[in-house]
Amino acid sequence: EAQVTQNPRYLITVTGKKLTVTCSQNMNHEYMSWYRQDPGLGLRQIYYSMNVEVTDKGDVPEGYKVSRKEKRNFPLILESPSPNQTSLYFCASSSGLAANTGELFFGEGSRLTVL
Amino acid sequence: QKEVEQNSGPLSVPEGAIASLNCTYSDRGSQSFFWYRQYSGKSPELIMFIYSNGDKEDGRFTAQLNKASQYVSLLIRDSQPSDSATYLCAVNWPNFGNEKLTFGTGTRLTIIP
Repeated sequence: EAQVTQNPRYLITVTGKKLTVTCSQNMNHEYMSWYRQDPGLGLRQIYYSMNVEVTDKGDVPEGYKVSRKEKRNFPLILESPSPNQTSLYFCASSSGLAANTGELFFGEGSRLTVL
Repeated sequence: QKEVEQNSGPLSVPEGAIASLNCTYSDRGSQSFFWYRQYSGKSPELIMFIYSNGDKEDGRFTAQLNKASQYVSLLIRDSQPSDSATYLCAVNWPNFGNEKLTFGTGTRLTIIP
């Protein structure tokens, strides 16, 4: 089954404790991205990757890191989480520059709470 | 600042009626426009895309694009309770594909049986 898998789905942590949210896709997609979704602010892009070893900042990259060492994986790293990073996080993938279809395949989301 | 504006709703529509969802965008250079549906507690899923002025129909859904006025709309005919969801409008950045999409905050639609 084609899917984007995120882990963990739910996490409560404390300020400053490093954490990683994993994302894996089995569709051989070149493009992967991380979004956060907050009430009233919608979906905002954190980082994206066009292919292995190619990453770029989205609209809200501060406080986050990513890496793309393998095509299927795109982990999101919070080195020192803060309460303002409490949010619902989505990983998404797509096949290349599908400019005219725009179809992003989203993971199920990871709800993160930072105390 | 690239912006995509949607009325947050909630928009309540009787079952069987036409639901009309609207979206405006700020960047005239945007070329492609997308509607995603997000059920409560679920992830977004693409339902339609449009990149030419005019209407595009897919089943009960019609997307309408007016680049001169910088708006895109989604019509849902014969609304069903299963259409109750939040609908997200997304617009791509000029000269980019879907690697840089700007999403609106979404319109929450409720279909009343």
